[in-house]
Amino acid sequence: SQTIHQWPATLVQPVGSPLSLECTVEGTSNPNLYWYRQAAGRGLQLLFYSVGIGQISSEVPQNLSASRPQDRQFILSSKKLLLSDSGFYLCAWSPQAFGQPQHFGDGTRLSIL
Amino acid sequence: DQQVKQNSPSLSVQEGRISILNCDYTNSMFDYFLWYKKYPAEGPTFLISISSIKDKNEDGRFTVFLNKSAKHLSLHIVPSQPGDSAVYFCAASPVIQGAQKLVFGQGTRLTINP
Repeated sequence: SQTIHQWPATLVQPVGSPLSLECTVEGTSNPNLYWYRQAAGRGLQLLFYSVGIGQISSEVPQNLSASRPQDRQFILSSKKLLLSDSGFYLCAWSPQAFGQPQHFGDGTRLSIL
Repeated sequence: DQQVKQNSPSLSVQEGRISILNCDYTNSMFDYFLWYKKYPAEGPTFLISISSIKDKNEDGRFTVFLNKSAKHLSLHIVPSQPGDSAVYFCAASPVIQGAQKLVFGQGTRLTINP
């Protein structure tokens, strides 16, 4: 069966520091991969998605970037964090075929001080 | 511009009764709809989905209804159980090549009272 791992579970970072969140998927190959952010009291907002190694699409302008160095690895990064980057970050995967649901990791709670 | 709306932030239901969660959307290009359940400090868990060629899909205690003309979908949970207490999100995606670009509602907190 497929599993998705996301770490760390919580992270406290000072303003201006760099960020690297990692997500890996097991038990499948060539998945679509996604990064979402959930602000307090809001729904999930799609930040980035990837349909293959090195292929990244950004959905909203922001201070973050994403990379996919391997088929089942998706990384969310920032060179300098802002206070507004605080939130709950979720990684998800789905099969390439249309009509299949996305499956989420357990998320990272990021607090910027 | 909120393309997917869940107008009830919270809902309280007696155990054993039916829970009905509602969701409205504005984008007529949406073709695939999903419901997720979320517990605190966890990622959302997929519950059930429906494509626009159907108006109903059932899976055990969960049924999703889609009314395309009204741009409305609902999730019915029968009978409701205490473990169903969670935040429920509806999501929608247009028909596109490649990845699904899901748009989520704000969520409805469901509380099942014993």
